[in-house]
Amino acid sequence: GESVGLHLPTLSVQEGDNSIINCAYSNSASDYFIWYKQESGKGPQFIIDIRSNMDKRQGQRVTVLLNKTVKHLSLQIAATQPGDSAVYFCAENSYNTDKLIFGTGTRLQVFP
Amino acid sequence: NAGVMQNPRHLVRRRGQEARLRCSPMKGHSHVYWYRQLPEEGLKFMVYLQKENIIDESGMPKERFSAEFPKEGPSILRIQQVVRGDSAAYFCASSRNSGGYNEQFFGPGTRLTVL
Repeated sequence: GESVGLHLPTLSVQEGDNSIINCAYSNSASDYFIWYKQESGKGPQFIIDIRSNMDKRQGQRVTVLLNKTVKHLSLQIAATQPGDSAVYFCAENSYNTDKLIFGTGTRLQVFP
Repeated sequence: NAGVMQNPRHLVRRRGQEARLRCSPMKGHSHVYWYRQLPEEGLKFMVYLQKENIIDESGMPKERFSAEFPKEGPSILRIQQVVRGDSAAYFCASSRNSGGYNEQFFGPGTRLTVL
């Protein structure tokens, strides 16, 4: 069935380094992808999104890359900070549906 | 602007009791979504509602679960005769418009514990 999955359940990085979180999706019909950040005890917070007509989108310290050929999505965080510690989820959607399909999440741990 | 509001934030119920979870969408949003999250897992879609209408309930269990979004007041997710497997975090999201490409804003969640 449809699924969105992540390669790494936990990622540990040193403060100041760059982080890369990966996500694989299986539904070729998906054309909208979102990264969410979830801190402990809180709801998911929107980070950045990308549509399938793009392969790269940049925000403040974050970049999302989309490779439709291999159905792969990644989130790059530059100069990772302690405040970036959280669980990160990718989610997929398509224009003709309303529900988001979430991956299982990657826990990002930032150490000094 | 107030974000999506959910209450209660924590709810404890004994097996067989009923649980009622409330969600008030952001101002100007008329589309509400409910998701369930088990520990260490991603969110799973349950139901999508507009005012007075259930649009998509493909993720709702067939029994004991129901949802509504009345003309006035918050959206309610109701779980009857709760079982321990219902213990989870339940998140509500809202959006201004329908269809894909519309950002869904999430509330802080209700953490349900069934004893």
